[in-house]
Amino acid sequence: AAGVIQSPRHLIKEKRETATLKCYPIPRHDTVYWYQQGPGQDPQFLISFYEKMQSDKGSIPDRFSAQQFSDYHSELNMSSLELGDSALYFCASATGTGVYEQYFGPGTRLTVT
Amino acid sequence: DAKTTQPPSMDCAEGRAANLPCNHSTISGNEYVYWYRQIHSQGPQYIIHGLKNNETNEMASLIITEDRKSSTLILPHATLRDTAVYYCIVRLPLRRQLTFGSGTQLTVLP
Repeated sequence: AAGVIQSPRHLIKEKRETATLKCYPIPRHDTVYWYQQGPGQDPQFLISFYEKMQSDKGSIPDRFSAQQFSDYHSELNMSSLELGDSALYFCASATGTGVYEQYFGPGTRLTVT
Repeated sequence: DAKTTQPPSMDCAEGRAANLPCNHSTISGNEYVYWYRQIHSQGPQYIIHGLKNNETNEMASLIITEDRKSSTLILPHATLRDTAVYYCIVRLPLRRQLTFGSGTQLTVLP
């Protein structure tokens, strides 16, 4: 079965640079979630989109922005990167029926040096 | 969403049942109990969810107490590949985000 695709899988950036992470949800899934997991921490919700509109916002820094496109893929844009942004970034998708279990991608490991 | 309490770690012998408890004493009537697990640095994986009744699927069973204040995830025959952090999450079934607590690190021993 098709899964959530995230790219790139690994990314190394320097402080103050920008980064763009991409997420391709499972076909026919209309909701996308972004989570951040720092070293030794539990995943923390950043932001979500339903039918291309932002639906919920968590602890996402103002330096970050995201959007969902007409084909339902989503991009997380991160600017003025800081060392503390080094983390695993997970995207999850869900379909708008039932009790909305979320299916997670493999994650993008961002390292800021 | 209601808060959950789980033991930080548990061990289980391979082939035996693993019983992972979760306390959610402030759960409201329309909140579901979800279980996810995260194998080291992989994306969290959905396991099972329930509202009131006990549930079973090909991965696990979920036992929810009658007052819904606690639940137990049961892996009937644990294998080494079940070693992971298991998260119990209580939330409304709408398109809401997951709030991950500390979870239980389950280690399956050979």
